[in-house]
Amino acid sequence: QKEVEQDPGPLSVPEGAIVSLNCTYSNSAFQYFMWYRQYSRKGPELLMYTYSSGNKEDGRFTAQVDKSSKYISLFIRDSQPSDSATYLCSGGGATNKLIFGTGTLLAVQP
Amino acid sequence: DAGVTQSPTHLIKTRGQQVTLRCSPKSGHDTVSWYQQALGQGPQFIFQYYEEEERQRGNFPDRFSGHQFPNYSSELNVNALLLGDSALYLCASSLGGKAKNIQYFGAGTRLSVL
Repeated sequence: QKEVEQDPGPLSVPEGAIVSLNCTYSNSAFQYFMWYRQYSRKGPELLMYTYSSGNKEDGRFTAQVDKSSKYISLFIRDSQPSDSATYLCSGGGATNKLIFGTGTLLAVQP
Repeated sequence: DAGVTQSPTHLIKTRGQQVTLRCSPKSGHDTVSWYQQALGQGPQFIFQYYEEEERQRGNFPDRFSGHQFPNYSSELNVNALLLGDSALYLCASSLGGKAKNIQYFGAGTRLSVL
């Protein structure tokens, strides 16, 4: 079993839709949870990070972590074509190495 | 504020050769981590450097080695290249302490091994 599982998609939505991206993880030692956005042939860009459980909001983006169910979510409101990218979830703990999911490819259709 | 910079952007090597990739961390960051990202996969942790020492290592062979300099910049060296080493190599930097997990990535070096 992979430490972080993520549906690879692709996920296609119309412009303006609410997008829900999800991951599950198995490592109980994870304390930090990150979402990265990666455009084609570019490096990952840190979108949001959360420490332990709870919600965090930044503009159109909301990250949620439920440690009891080991579930990580990213919501994108009012999605735009420029949001089309691969979204990577990751977890980290005391070892300071990040474990990533395979990424979900999102396409927002104008 | 310069972000994480990596050089070169692209490299083409042949099997058996050696390669050195370079990374300058984000201003104020002292910790550098290296990742390998194969096509269609998430990044995989290679190792992390802090205070010029390797602190953590992922499941990569000894052909992969690194170095961190006093100015916090870092190099990744790969010896005896294999076809399977073709990938995007990513450098990430972070602050020390608990913030080590909050890592910022560079654009990567795309290595092709022929």
